[in-house]
Amino acid sequence: TQLLEQSPQFLSIQEGENLTVYCNSSSVFSSLQWYRQEPGEGPVLLVTVVTGGEVKKLKRLTFQFGDARKDSSLHITAAQTGDTGLYLCAGDNNAGNMLTFGGGTRLMVKP
Amino acid sequence: DAGVIQSPRHEVTEMGQEVTLRCKPISGHDYLFWYRQTMMRGLELLIYFNNNVPIDDSGMPEDRFSAKMPNASFSTLKIQPSEPRDSAVYFCASSPPEGAVTGELFFGEGSRLTVL
Repeated sequence: TQLLEQSPQFLSIQEGENLTVYCNSSSVFSSLQWYRQEPGEGPVLLVTVVTGGEVKKLKRLTFQFGDARKDSSLHITAAQTGDTGLYLCAGDNNAGNMLTFGGGTRLMVKP
Repeated sequence: DAGVIQSPRHEVTEMGQEVTLRCKPISGHDYLFWYRQTMMRGLELLIYFNNNVPIDDSGMPEDRFSAKMPNASFSTLKIQPSEPRDSAVYFCASSPPEGAVTGELFFGEGSRLTVL
């Protein structure tokens, strides 16, 4: 089983601050996804990164895939209260459409 | 468009009882996944189907758990007998064929199970 470790597990910040969360593994992934989950709902896909070194931007969110395709980061600029939620990374090991999820980073943005 | 539909949203039952969770995937999606989410273990894949056929059930905890997909629009996850440690949120997710490349899963809202 391939393990994806996310850090930090919990993060509480003030609105307007910047933050970065990390997703690390010792295994290589063919692609990596970031999901956000709000209370009482299922995870929703934010982005998929495929190429080593790839950077994708989604408004205030910047996603990066490591050169070796073993790790990824999510940076949020000027966090808003609406960014509050559980951020999950998931890796596709290209073995039959199976995603392995990390333990998640629970973000709280206070007004 | 309707998303993945799960029922029930909440279930409270007593130890030893049978529990059946239901899922209707998005029309046209040929992959269906059952996940379990707990605070301790996060999101765990239990089983997944492709074109109604179970492909990998290695995540199913034990024989008390079973899953079926009799047709493309319906799947069930059954626990018999249920135990308190089965308490969790169970998610169903589906993906289209291209999901194998993009890794995009479409999740339902989950079924929160509490076994007393």
